[in-house]
Amino acid sequence: KAGVTQTPRYLIKTRGQQVTLSCSPISGHRSVSWYQQTPGQGLQFLFEYFSETQRNKGNFPGRFSGRQFSNSRSEMNVSTLELGDSALYLCASSPLIAGGQFEQFFGPGTRLTVL
Amino acid sequence: LAKTTQPISMDSYEGQEVNITCSHNNIATNDYITWYQQFPSQGPRFIIQGYKTKVTNEVASLFIPADRKSSTLSLPRVSLSDTAVYYCLVGDNSGGSNYKLTFGKGTLLTVNP
Repeated sequence: KAGVTQTPRYLIKTRGQQVTLSCSPISGHRSVSWYQQTPGQGLQFLFEYFSETQRNKGNFPGRFSGRQFSNSRSEMNVSTLELGDSALYLCASSPLIAGGQFEQFFGPGTRLTVL
Repeated sequence: LAKTTQPISMDSYEGQEVNITCSHNNIATNDYITWYQQFPSQGPRFIIQGYKTKVTNEVASLFIPADRKSSTLSLPRVSLSDTAVYYCLVGDNSGGSNYKLTFGKGTLLTVNP
């Protein structure tokens, strides 16, 4: 089975611009979560989508948004970029077998640099 | 959400057994304990998960005492390639709407030759 894929792998933007990152989960996985990782704050949960609905949201401003498509692929968007948005953005998918154990499968991440 | 506390860093040598302990005093009844491993510039990788007592797989063991307020990840005979950050997470995996994972700072394990 192919793993979680994220595109692009690297991105350079300037302040004020917006960016869209893409994530393709493992086939059959319906839950997709997004995380931001920075040296100072570590790994922080952004949001989780399940069956095209946002189920959970972390403590990030409204500039961070996302969506999930019917094929479970997900995108996240950051508008009005700030220098502090420079980070590794990770996507993770999970089969979420109800009542059972779970694990999240992470993609390689998108390294976003804001200049 | 249950908060976890683990050492910031640990040092070891090749061939040794390494035990990393995580405290989670406020763990809830439905919470499972999960450990992830992360190498630089890569996404975390699932290592092991458990609810109580002991769980063992091909790469690690997880020991959970009866009160579940802590857990210990045991890595047998570490090698240089085990140098990574290890995260302990506690979360509800019932698949319901309250599912969310909180990563702490993790433990940087450095394996020396």
